[in-house]
Amino acid sequence: DAGITQSPRYKITETGRQVTLMCHQTWSHSYMFWYRQDLGHGLRLIYYSAAADITDKGEVPDGYVVSRSKTENFPLTLESATRSQTSVYFCASSDKVRELFFGEGSRLTVL
Amino acid sequence: GQSLEQPSEVTAVEGAIVQINCTYQTSGFYGLSWYQQHDGGAPTFLSYNALDGLEETGRFSSFLSRSDSYGYLLLQELQMKDSASYFCAVPDNYGQNFVFGPGTRLSVLP
Repeated sequence: DAGITQSPRYKITETGRQVTLMCHQTWSHSYMFWYRQDLGHGLRLIYYSAAADITDKGEVPDGYVVSRSKTENFPLTLESATRSQTSVYFCASSDKVRELFFGEGSRLTVL
Repeated sequence: GQSLEQPSEVTAVEGAIVQINCTYQTSGFYGLSWYQQHDGGAPTFLSYNALDGLEETGRFSSFLSRSDSYGYLLLQELQMKDSASYFCAVPDNYGQNFVFGPGTRLSVLP
């Protein structure tokens, strides 16, 4: 089915473990984004990508790594998870400045 | 950089009209977008304004005044299902990523 999908939808991990959140889109959109959403902070940009092999930092990139070897995939890795990274993570894609399409979110809990 | 301000909460009754304001500060301007997010859900796109004036989409309208760095979302004939958070957003200086406002939580009462 066309769209943008995230996996896993729910994840519980422990401090210090590596976690990868996957994002896949079928529209061939050039731009892809990772946001985190916490109560009281709205949506904050972690990383974004303008095309395959082009990535750039957003507002809160520390502790995260991204890659984009293929246009349709944009995984987000937490190299050593911390409790402060407990959040809801949204992936989004766009081919125009005006509209973002969001995935359903990945709810991560770090114990 | 960009910054946006919105009221944190708005309450209205079913059938009423409500306006959610957004003021922004940007170095360059590429348009103002609005998103709706229900509890536990993902943000979904509602509207976009690149030029001054009113854009209407069904019960929702969005207004922009670039000279005032101000926009609003107008929701008419409110329904219970409109209870959600509403975010304004602007692209960054290069038009490559989006900065979101803090969100306005709308509660629609019966």
